[in-house]
Amino acid sequence: SQQGEEDPQALSIQEGENATMNCSYKTSINNLQWYRQNSGRGLVHLILIRSNEREKHSGRLRVTLDTSKKSSSLLITASRAADTASYFCATGPGGETSGSRLTFGEGTQLTVNP
Amino acid sequence: KAGVTQTPRYLIKTRGQQVTLSCSPISGHRSVSWYQQTPGQGLQFLFEYFSETQRNKGNFPGRFSGRQFSNSRSEMNVSTLELGDSALYLCASSPRGLAGLYEQYFGPGTRLTVT
Repeated sequence: SQQGEEDPQALSIQEGENATMNCSYKTSINNLQWYRQNSGRGLVHLILIRSNEREKHSGRLRVTLDTSKKSSSLLITASRAADTASYFCATGPGGETSGSRLTFGEGTQLTVNP
Repeated sequence: KAGVTQTPRYLIKTRGQQVTLSCSPISGHRSVSWYQQTPGQGLQFLFEYFSETQRNKGNFPGRFSGRQFSNSRSEMNVSTLELGDSALYLCASSPRGLAGLYEQYFGPGTRLTVT
């Protein structure tokens, strides 16, 4: 079962607008990561935020994490047509013994119209 | 560094057959994880190997198995294929295999179609 739930499932915007995607999770985490997937290809890591961080930036990406609400959001500013893809949040389990098991959300399909 | 490579990229098999997929991690990465992606179930964790040992296993039947070699390359095998095994199989590697600490690097995937 998927721990993460993402909202919205699909988002369509115009180039230059901002896109915000939300993710909720259920159990304790060590970190939360966001990945992008273009049309059924492999996933590309975007950004990782640790459980003791509240906000993180990387270029046009801004991620927030609220562990009290078990939720995260990904903001893409000044979107481009090339940002069209599916975006997934994934949680890394708390505890070193848990290994590399990532639990993914259902994803948000972002379409940026030129 | 070269990225994660997976072979083959596309595969068509018949129900009842078995299949082996291969994954070569980024040089120096000792952890390899496998995921199955389907439209209905999304991305699901299959298993993880670290230093030739299976460290984690997802909720998949015993028909799904894997192994890791001393050079960290990994293979996964699916026996007695079913139509529902049609999926994109993704391999990911990370330096120390602690998703709690590090991001994972994914390969392009193997698209398996079972007819």
